[in-house]
Amino acid sequence: DGGITQSPKYLFRKEGQNVTLSCEQNLNHDAMYWYRQDPGQGLRLIYYSQIVNDFQKGDIAEGYSVSREKKESFPLTVTSAQKNPTAFYLCASSIGDRVGTDTQYFGPGTRLTVL
Amino acid sequence: GENVEQHPSTLSVQEGDSAVIKCTYSDSASNYFPWYKQELGKRPQLIIDIRSNVGEKKDQRIAVTLNKTAKHFSLHITETQPEDSAVYFCAATYTGGFKTIFGAGTRLFVKA
Repeated sequence: DGGITQSPKYLFRKEGQNVTLSCEQNLNHDAMYWYRQDPGQGLRLIYYSQIVNDFQKGDIAEGYSVSREKKESFPLTVTSAQKNPTAFYLCASSIGDRVGTDTQYFGPGTRLTVL
Repeated sequence: GENVEQHPSTLSVQEGDSAVIKCTYSDSASNYFPWYKQELGKRPQLIIDIRSNVGEKKDQRIAVTLNKTAKHFSLHITETQPEDSAVYFCAATYTGGFKTIFGAGTRLFVKA
């Protein structure tokens, strides 16, 4: 658990602002993921990255952007184009050698609130 | 598209009783089924998982069963304790897919 961190824990944003959520892992994992969790719902995949300098859209990528310049880091930017960004955001990582069926380890999450 | 249905959404049991949570999946290519436990305000943590070449797996008080033909898999918790109270998520994914589909979650209450 301590190998994957997210910051900040709580984030408040005004409408029309972009914000960036941090995700770092020291597990030497190749794959990283971003999920959104809304009350009473499961986790929905925003973006994932199998390897450095490569990433793919998930089910709800609109209004979000990511980068993967380093193996350890996978920041998520919530842009002003995201119409309903208030949610709990979870980052995860996995080894990446059994594509898609590795165990995913989650960070502690960032709760984003749009004021 | 791919879908995972999870039931019940809420489950309340008496301490010491068993709890069963059931999931069904739609994508027949799914071959990995993890279960996560999420306590309030915390991260989901893997508690048990099963791969499609296995029908049942057990770890102390927790067991998971898989019926590939019916596309059903279930989580069984025996001798429940108050600390088992949490939200439990099932999920399904497949080799090469990189997309894990999660159920909506089951909120388990264990009454002392």
